[in-house]
Amino acid sequence: EDQVTQSPEALRLQEGESSSLNCSYTVSGLRGLFWYRQDPGKGPEFLFTLYSAGEEKEKERLKATLTKKESFLHITAPKPEDSATYLCAVLRGSGGYQKVTFGIGTKLQVIP
Amino acid sequence: DGGITQSPKYLFRKEGQNVTLSCEQNLNHDAMYWYRQDPGQGLRLIYYSQIVNDFQKGDIAEGYSVSREKKESFPLTVTSAQKNPTAFYLCASSTRLGWGPSSYNEQFFGPGTRLTVL
Repeated sequence: EDQVTQSPEALRLQEGESSSLNCSYTVSGLRGLFWYRQDPGKGPEFLFTLYSAGEEKEKERLKATLTKKESFLHITAPKPEDSATYLCAVLRGSGGYQKVTFGIGTKLQVIP
Repeated sequence: DGGITQSPKYLFRKEGQNVTLSCEQNLNHDAMYWYRQDPGQGLRLIYYSQIVNDFQKGDIAEGYSVSREKKESFPLTVTSAQKNPTAFYLCASSTRLGWGPSSYNEQFFGPGTRLTVL
C-alpha cells in the first residue's frame, strides 16, 4: 500500500528563520510528486511537480527537491504570509490507472 | 477568470437526507475529481472522471454518487447510506491523465464545501 509521511506535523518558525519540511514515501513506480499549500478552510493551491530524483524547483522563498525516497520543501527566510499547511502527494500508476496519495500535511506557522 | 467553483460553501444535512454538492470548472479540463478531507487524514479520493459520461470509483465511494453529463460539471451526491458524511469536500480538475513530464498535469482544486450532518 502506498504511504506518504510528512514531518514534522507542525512547525513554528520566527520570521526569517529558514527550515525544511519532509515528505517521505513508499510507493511502487513513482511517476510524480506534488506539493500544495492549503490555507484554513480553503482548497489546496498547487506549488510544484517533481518527476525524477535530483530534480529541483523554486518559487519565491520555496524550493522543492526530490530523491528516491523523499522530498524536501525548503523555506528560505519565511514571512508570516507563508503560514499554511503544506501537502505532499505522490502519483503512481500501472497500465491505464493512476493513483494519487496525499500526506496529512505539515502545518507551518511563521511568527513576526 | 478561469477556475473551479464549488457550492455551497457550507451545507447542513439532516440524517436520512441526500444532498448534492456542485462543482463547475471553466478551465477546459478533461479530468475531474472529488476528495474528502478529515482532520488528521490525507485527502481521500471518492470518485473521478476522465471524460464526459464516464466516471470511476475512488477509494471511498460507498454512500456517494456522481454524474458527468457536461465537461464543465461534476456534481457529487452524498446519500443517506454514507454513515459519516460530516467532512470538507474538495473538487479538483486536471487537463488529462498520462505519463511523464507534462503528460500528467497537476490537479487544481476548488474552494471546498463543508458538510455538517445535524
